[in-house]
Amino acid sequence: DQQVKQNSPSLSVQEGRISILNCDYTNSMFDYFLWYKKYPAEGPTFLISISSIKDKNEDGRFTVFLNKSAKHLSLHIVPSQPGDSAVYFCAAKVGNEKLTFGTGTRLTIIP
Amino acid sequence: DTEVTQTPKHLVMGMTNKKSLKCEQHMGHRAMYWYKQKAKKPPELMFVYSYEKLSINESVPSRFSPECPNSSLLNLHLHALQPEDSALYLCASSQDPRRRNEKLFFGSGTQLSVL
Repeated sequence: DQQVKQNSPSLSVQEGRISILNCDYTNSMFDYFLWYKKYPAEGPTFLISISSIKDKNEDGRFTVFLNKSAKHLSLHIVPSQPGDSAVYFCAAKVGNEKLTFGTGTRLTIIP
Repeated sequence: DTEVTQTPKHLVMGMTNKKSLKCEQHMGHRAMYWYKQKAKKPPELMFVYSYEKLSINESVPSRFSPECPNSSLLNLHLHALQPEDSALYLCASSQDPRRRNEKLFFGSGTQLSVL
């Protein structure tokens, strides 16, 4: 049972444009959401997070939006840069329980 | 120091070998984790240590044996592994396992190949 889903396995975006990565979840008890970025053969790197009491969190070029009624979150990267090419995982948790990861989206930024 | 350091980076072992993976963090974090990641899949939780005590074992086979000698170190002892155990093994830490809204810091992983 995949409680966190990223339905797009891959996404290509031109450099300078906006990248939008999507994530859907089924567990309404999730109250904390995170995005991680992963390069090949490296560990995931934390990008940005959002608590369920908010609907938006921004950090530089990265913004995460949370729509609790739709059980959907998205990560916006603007402007997209070549170094943003990586696999992006969304993750969610209930309280201090374990993280549940999505299946990942491979983002390719085209110069 | 905001790093989680894992050694070795790569490991090739036979099915009869015994080897250990090591993980170290000096951020004062009190929770440490082992994850396994296969290609094109999300990380899967294996074990959690909270205040140096094993708090979660996700039904991992006994050929994987974790050890937390102190609050900065985490080992994963490997014995009689199978080829399907080949994967990237990730260590992670977080500040306080009792707190909500904790983010995990990951190491770069050990790429393990079992022949």
